[in-house]
Amino acid sequence: QITLKESGPTLVKPTQTLTLTCTFSGFSLSTRAVGVGWFRQPPGKALEWLAVIYWDDAKTYSPSLKSRLTITKDTSKSQVVLTMTNMDPVDTATYYCAHKAAAPGILDSWGQGTLVAVSS
Amino acid sequence: DIQMTQSPSTLSASVGDRVTITCRASQSISNWLAWYQQKPGKAPKLLIYKASSLESGVPSRFSGSGAGTEFTLTISSPQPDDFATYYCQQYDSYPWTFGQGTKVEI
Repeated sequence: QITLKESGPTLVKPTQTLTLTCTFSGFSLSTRAVGVGWFRQPPGKALEWLAVIYWDDAKTYSPSLKSRLTITKDTSKSQVVLTMTNMDPVDTATYYCAHKAAAPGILDSWGQGTLVAVSS
Repeated sequence: DIQMTQSPSTLSASVGDRVTITCRASQSISNWLAWYQQKPGKAPKLLIYKASSLESGVPSRFSGSGAGTEFTLTISSPQPDDFATYYCQQYDSYPWTFGQGTKVEI
C-alpha cells in the first residue's frame, strides 16, 4: 500500500522560503520510471502542478514557478523535499505530493495535503 | 501551455441520473488524460487514466472516453458518494495542467 504525507510549516511570512517534505512508503524512488510530484490548490480554486522528480533524479518544474522552486529526493529516507522561495500571500494553498507510477503520467496515490498560509 | 477547459462548471443531478462532464484541450494530447474526484478537504483521487482506463478499485459506473482534444467523463448512475468535484488533467507534455473543475451537486 502506497502512502504519502506532507509536512512543513502552516504559516510563513512574505519573502520567506517554504520547505515542504513528502515522506512516503510502499514504493521506492529508485524504481525505474517512478516519480513524486508536487501540486497545490488555493482555497476554492483548481489544482496546479509545481514540480516532479524521478527515480533517476531527473527534475521538471512548472515554467511559471521554475525560478522559485527546488525539488530534491533522499531515497534512503523515502523523502522528497520541495522548497519555494520568496513566498507571497497568493501562494497560500494546500500543497500535495503524489506518487507517479511507472506508467506515463499516472498519479495514483496522493498525500492528504498540508495547508500553508502566507501572511505577515 | 496546454489549456484544459471543463464544462459545465457546476452540474445538478439526482441519484441515478446519467452525468456527463466534458474536458477540452487547447491542442491535441492524444489520450494522455486523467480524471480525478475530489471531495471537500480531501486529496484528489484518480478515477480514469489514459482517457478511458479505469483505475483499480473505481466503480464501473465511471467511464471515460475521447482522444485528441475532446474528452468525456460519464457517471452512469451517480450514487450519493459521487457528489464531488471532478478535474481533468493532461500529461501529454509539461507543464501538466488541470481543468478548472466541475462540481456535481445533488
